Amino acid sequence: DQQVKQNSPSLSVQEGRISILNCDYTNSMFDYFLWYKKYPAEGPTFLISISSIKDKNEDGRFTVFLNKSAKHLSLHIVPSQPGDSAVYFCAASGRYGNKLVFGAGTILRVKS
Amino acid sequence: DTEVTQTPKHLVMGMTNKKSLKCEQHMGHRAMYWYKQKAKKPPELMFVYSYEKLSINESVPSRFSPECPNSSLLNLHLHALQPEDSALYLCASSQDRASGTYNEQFFGPGTRLTVL
Repeated sequence: DQQVKQNSPSLSVQEGRISILNCDYTNSMFDYFLWYKKYPAEGPTFLISISSIKDKNEDGRFTVFLNKSAKHLSLHIVPSQPGDSAVYFCAASGRYGNKLVFGAGTILRVKS
Repeated sequence: DTEVTQTPKHLVMGMTNKKSLKCEQHMGHRAMYWYKQKAKKPPELMFVYSYEKLSINESVPSRFSPECPNSSLLNLHLHALQPEDSALYLCASSQDRASGTYNEQFFGPGTRLTVL
């Protein structure tokens, strides 16, 4: 039972354009959502998060949008840079406990 | 200091060996985690320590034995592993949800384990 789904295994974007990565979740008890970026053979790096009381959070080139009614969140990267090429994981956390549930990841390739 | 460190970076061991992975953080986090990650898969939670007590064991085989000697250190003791246990082992830390904060988990660089 996949509670967090990233349905696009990969995405290719031209440098300077917008990258949009999508994530869906099924568990309505999730109240905190995070995006991580991962390079090969390294640990995931925390990028940005959003709590369920918000619908948007912005940090520099990164913006996360949350649509609670659709149980959907997205990460926008503008403008995309070649160094953004990595695997992006969506993750969700419930109100109680420390467990994070990860999606399968989306490989982003930014072409120069 | 916003870093989680892990040693060693790489480890090769035989199926009869005993080895340990080490993790350290100095961010004052009271929750620490072990994850296993296979190629092209998301991190898979193994254990969670909350205030130095084991709070979650995701049905991990007993050949993996975690230990939390103090609030900054987390060990994973390995014994009689199988080749299918070869993976990247990640440590993470965060504030504990019991403290009322949201829990961004900060990951270390991982230990690449190969079991021969």
